[in-house]
Amino acid sequence: GAVVSQHPSRVICKSGTSVKIECRSLDFQATTMFWYRQFPKQSLMLMATSNEGSKATYEQGVEKDKFLINHASLTLSTLTVTSAHPEDSSFYICSARDVVAGVSSYNEQFFGPGTRLTVL
Amino acid sequence: KNEVEQSPQNLTAQEGEFITINCSYSVGISALHWLQQHPGGGIVSLFMLSSGKKKHGRLIATINIQEKHSSLHITASHPRDSAVYICAVRPQFYFGTGTSLTVIP
Repeated sequence: GAVVSQHPSRVICKSGTSVKIECRSLDFQATTMFWYRQFPKQSLMLMATSNEGSKATYEQGVEKDKFLINHASLTLSTLTVTSAHPEDSSFYICSARDVVAGVSSYNEQFFGPGTRLTVL
Repeated sequence: KNEVEQSPQNLTAQEGEFITINCSYSVGISALHWLQQHPGGGIVSLFMLSSGKKKHGRLIATINIQEKHSSLHITASHPRDSAVYICAVRPQFYFGTGTSLTVIP
Protein backbone atom coordinates (compact mmCIF):
# COMPACT_ATOMS: atom_id res chain seq x y z
CA GLY A 1 0.00 0.00 0.00
CA ALA A 2 0.90 3.64 -0.20
CA VAL A 3 3.41 4.91 2.34
CA VAL A 4 3.56 8.20 4.17
CA SER A 5 6.59 9.07 6.24
CA GLN A 6 7.08 11.67 8.95
CA HIS A 7 10.28 13.15 10.22
CA PRO A 8 11.29 13.35 12.95
CA SER A 9 9.46 10.61 14.80
CA ARG A 10 10.26 12.17 18.14
CA VAL A 11 11.55 15.61 19.11
CA ILE A 12 12.27 17.29 22.39
CA CYS A 13 12.85 21.01 22.38
CA LYS A 14 13.07 23.96 24.71
CA SER A 15 10.23 26.38 25.15
CA GLY A 16 10.40 29.22 22.65
CA THR A 17 12.07 27.29 19.86
CA SER A 18 10.49 26.34 16.54
CA VAL A 19 10.10 22.78 15.36
CA LYS A 20 9.55 21.63 11.79
CA ILE A 21 7.82 18.34 11.05
CA GLU A 22 7.92 16.85 7.55
CA CYS A 23 5.29 14.67 5.97
CA ARG A 24 6.15 12.87 2.75
CA SER A 25 4.16 10.64 0.45
CA LEU A 26 6.78 8.16 -0.70
CA ASP A 27 5.21 6.39 -3.63
CA PHE A 28 2.26 8.51 -4.69
CA GLN A 29 1.31 12.10 -5.31
CA ALA A 30 -0.86 13.90 -2.84
CA THR A 31 -2.55 17.18 -3.69
CA THR A 32 -4.07 17.23 -0.23
CA MET A 33 -2.46 16.42 3.09
CA PHE A 34 -4.03 16.69 6.51
CA TRP A 35 -2.44 17.54 9.85
CA TYR A 36 -3.84 16.21 13.11
CA ARG A 37 -2.99 16.54 16.76
CA GLN A 38 -3.65 13.94 19.42
CA PHE A 39 -3.31 14.56 23.14
CA PRO A 40 -2.76 11.60 25.49
CA LYS A 41 -5.82 9.41 25.92
CA GLN A 42 -7.75 11.57 23.48
CA SER A 43 -8.81 11.15 19.92
CA LEU A 44 -7.49 12.86 16.86
CA MET A 45 -8.25 16.45 16.10
CA LEU A 46 -7.88 17.88 12.63
CA MET A 47 -5.69 20.97 12.66
CA ALA A 48 -5.52 21.94 9.02
CA THR A 49 -5.84 20.80 5.45
CA SER A 50 -2.80 21.38 3.31
CA ASN A 51 -3.23 21.87 -0.41
CA GLU A 52 -0.30 21.76 -2.79
CA GLY A 53 0.49 25.18 -4.17
CA SER A 54 -2.02 27.09 -2.06
CA LYS A 55 -2.58 28.23 1.49
CA ALA A 56 -3.62 25.73 4.11
CA THR A 57 -7.11 25.73 5.53
CA TYR A 58 -7.08 25.82 9.31
CA GLU A 59 -9.74 24.47 11.61
CA GLN A 60 -11.44 26.77 14.08
CA GLY A 61 -9.30 27.45 17.09
CA VAL A 62 -6.00 26.56 15.41
CA GLU A 63 -3.63 29.51 15.16
CA LYS A 64 -2.26 29.73 11.64
CA ASP A 65 0.64 31.95 12.72
CA LYS A 66 1.70 29.40 15.31
CA PHE A 67 1.29 26.31 13.17
CA LEU A 68 2.80 27.15 9.80
CA ILE A 69 2.01 24.74 7.02
CA ASN A 70 3.76 24.60 3.70
CA HIS A 71 2.84 22.18 0.92
CA ALA A 72 5.40 23.02 -1.72
CA SER A 73 5.22 19.83 -3.74
CA LEU A 74 2.93 16.89 -4.40
CA THR A 75 4.96 14.72 -2.04
CA LEU A 76 5.89 17.03 0.83
CA SER A 77 4.05 19.06 3.43
CA THR A 78 5.67 20.62 6.46
CA LEU A 79 4.24 21.76 9.77
CA THR A 80 6.28 24.24 11.77
CA VAL A 81 5.35 24.80 15.38
CA THR A 82 6.65 28.28 16.07
CA SER A 83 7.71 29.47 19.52
CA ALA A 84 6.70 26.15 21.01
CA HIS A 85 5.40 25.99 24.56
CA PRO A 86 4.81 23.01 26.85
CA GLU A 87 1.09 23.02 26.00
CA ASP A 88 2.06 22.29 22.39
CA SER A 89 3.45 18.94 23.50
CA SER A 90 1.41 16.40 21.61
CA PHE A 91 1.42 13.67 18.98
CA TYR A 92 1.24 15.19 15.51
CA ILE A 93 0.06 13.03 12.63
CA CYS A 94 -0.28 13.71 8.95
CA SER A 95 -2.25 11.92 6.30
CA ALA A 96 -2.22 12.15 2.55
CA ARG A 97 -4.79 11.47 -0.07
CA ASP A 98 -3.75 9.59 -3.16
CA VAL A 99 -4.91 11.63 -6.12
CA VAL A 100 -5.27 8.53 -8.23
CA ALA A 101 -7.15 6.34 -5.75
CA GLY A 102 -9.59 9.05 -4.71
CA VAL A 103 -12.92 7.94 -3.31
CA SER A 104 -12.88 4.72 -5.26
CA SER A 105 -10.35 3.23 -2.90
CA TYR A 106 -11.57 1.47 0.21
CA ASN A 107 -9.06 3.40 2.27
CA GLU A 108 -8.92 6.93 0.99
CA GLN A 109 -6.18 8.31 3.17
CA PHE A 110 -2.77 7.09 4.20
CA PHE A 111 -1.41 8.12 7.56
CA GLY A 112 2.11 8.89 8.64
CA PRO A 113 3.54 7.22 11.74
CA GLY A 114 3.30 10.41 13.78
CA THR A 115 5.73 12.78 15.50
CA ARG A 116 5.82 13.00 19.25
CA LEU A 117 6.70 16.55 20.31
CA THR A 118 7.77 17.31 23.85
CA VAL A 119 8.37 20.93 24.76
CA LEU A 120 10.32 21.45 27.97
CA LYS B 1 -21.31 16.94 23.62
CA ASN B 2 -19.58 14.69 21.11
CA GLU B 3 -20.87 14.62 17.58
CA VAL B 4 -19.44 11.11 17.22
CA GLU B 5 -19.92 8.48 19.88
CA GLN B 6 -18.33 5.06 19.96
CA SER B 7 -19.14 1.98 21.99
CA PRO B 8 -17.80 0.18 23.77
CA GLN B 9 -14.86 2.26 24.99
CA ASN B 10 -12.91 -0.84 25.90
CA LEU B 11 -13.32 -4.37 24.68
CA THR B 12 -11.53 -7.58 25.59
CA ALA B 13 -12.12 -10.69 23.52
CA GLN B 14 -10.77 -14.20 23.22
CA GLU B 15 -8.97 -15.10 20.05
CA GLY B 16 -11.41 -16.26 17.43
CA GLU B 17 -14.38 -14.28 18.69
CA PHE B 18 -16.56 -12.14 16.45
CA ILE B 19 -16.21 -8.49 17.43
CA THR B 20 -18.50 -5.53 16.83
CA ILE B 21 -17.63 -1.89 17.44
CA ASN B 22 -20.33 0.73 17.08
CA CYS B 23 -20.25 4.34 15.99
CA SER B 24 -23.16 6.78 16.16
CA TYR B 25 -23.13 10.34 14.94
CA SER B 26 -25.45 13.29 15.23
CA VAL B 27 -24.58 15.35 12.16
CA GLY B 28 -25.18 14.99 8.46
CA ILE B 29 -22.22 13.39 6.79
CA SER B 30 -20.85 12.63 3.36
CA ALA B 31 -18.73 9.68 4.47
CA LEU B 32 -17.47 7.83 7.50
CA HIS B 33 -13.95 6.53 8.12
CA TRP B 34 -12.86 3.63 10.27
CA LEU B 35 -9.26 3.93 11.47
CA GLN B 36 -7.00 1.57 13.38
CA GLN B 37 -4.36 3.03 15.70
CA HIS B 38 -1.64 0.74 17.00
CA PRO B 39 0.03 1.17 20.42
CA GLY B 40 2.97 3.01 18.87
CA GLY B 41 0.60 5.59 17.46
CA GLY B 42 0.62 4.61 13.80
CA ILE B 43 -2.76 4.85 12.09
CA VAL B 44 -4.16 2.78 9.27
CA SER B 45 -7.24 3.82 7.38
CA LEU B 46 -9.44 0.73 7.21
CA PHE B 47 -12.52 1.91 5.38
CA MET B 48 -14.25 4.95 4.00
CA LEU B 49 -17.91 4.38 3.30
CA SER B 50 -20.97 6.44 2.57
CA SER B 51 -23.57 3.70 2.25
CA GLY B 52 -24.09 -0.01 2.60
CA LYS B 53 -21.29 -2.34 3.45
CA LYS B 54 -17.62 -2.88 2.68
CA LYS B 55 -15.44 -5.90 3.35
CA HIS B 56 -11.69 -6.32 3.42
CA GLY B 57 -10.32 -9.62 4.67
CA ARG B 58 -11.72 -10.28 8.13
CA LEU B 59 -13.03 -6.75 8.49
CA ILE B 60 -16.52 -5.64 7.59
CA ALA B 61 -17.91 -2.14 7.90
CA THR B 62 -21.54 -1.20 7.58
CA ILE B 63 -23.34 2.09 7.70
CA ASN B 64 -27.00 3.06 8.05
CA ILE B 65 -27.36 6.65 6.98
CA GLN B 66 -30.97 6.97 8.16
CA GLU B 67 -30.09 5.75 11.64
CA LYS B 68 -26.75 7.60 11.67
CA HIS B 69 -24.93 4.53 12.76
CA SER B 70 -22.00 2.47 11.59
CA SER B 71 -20.51 -0.78 12.79
CA LEU B 72 -17.11 -2.35 12.36
CA HIS B 73 -17.01 -6.12 12.60
CA ILE B 74 -13.95 -8.31 12.97
CA THR B 75 -14.39 -11.99 12.27
CA ALA B 76 -12.09 -14.64 13.75
CA SER B 77 -10.30 -12.06 15.89
CA HIS B 78 -6.58 -12.40 16.47
CA PRO B 79 -4.19 -10.84 18.99
CA ARG B 80 -2.70 -8.73 16.23
CA ASP B 81 -6.10 -7.02 15.92
CA SER B 82 -5.45 -5.44 19.32
CA ALA B 83 -5.52 -1.70 18.72
CA VAL B 84 -7.67 1.38 19.13
CA TYR B 85 -10.39 1.67 16.51
CA ILE B 86 -11.59 5.16 15.69
CA CYS B 87 -14.49 6.31 13.56
CA ALA B 88 -14.51 9.71 11.95
CA VAL B 89 -17.09 11.53 9.86
CA ARG B 90 -16.66 13.73 6.82
CA PRO B 91 -16.73 16.47 5.79
CA GLN B 92 -16.44 17.78 9.32
CA PHE B 93 -13.55 15.52 10.44
CA TYR B 94 -15.21 14.83 13.77
CA PHE B 95 -13.56 11.86 15.49
CA GLY B 96 -14.88 9.40 18.00
CA THR B 97 -12.87 8.82 21.15
CA GLY B 98 -11.96 5.33 20.05
CA THR B 99 -12.55 1.76 21.14
CA SER B 100 -9.60 0.01 22.69
CA LEU B 101 -9.64 -3.65 21.66
CA THR B 102 -7.56 -6.34 23.30
CA VAL B 103 -7.65 -9.85 21.87
CA ILE B 104 -6.33 -12.49 24.22
CA PRO B 105 -4.70 -15.62 22.81
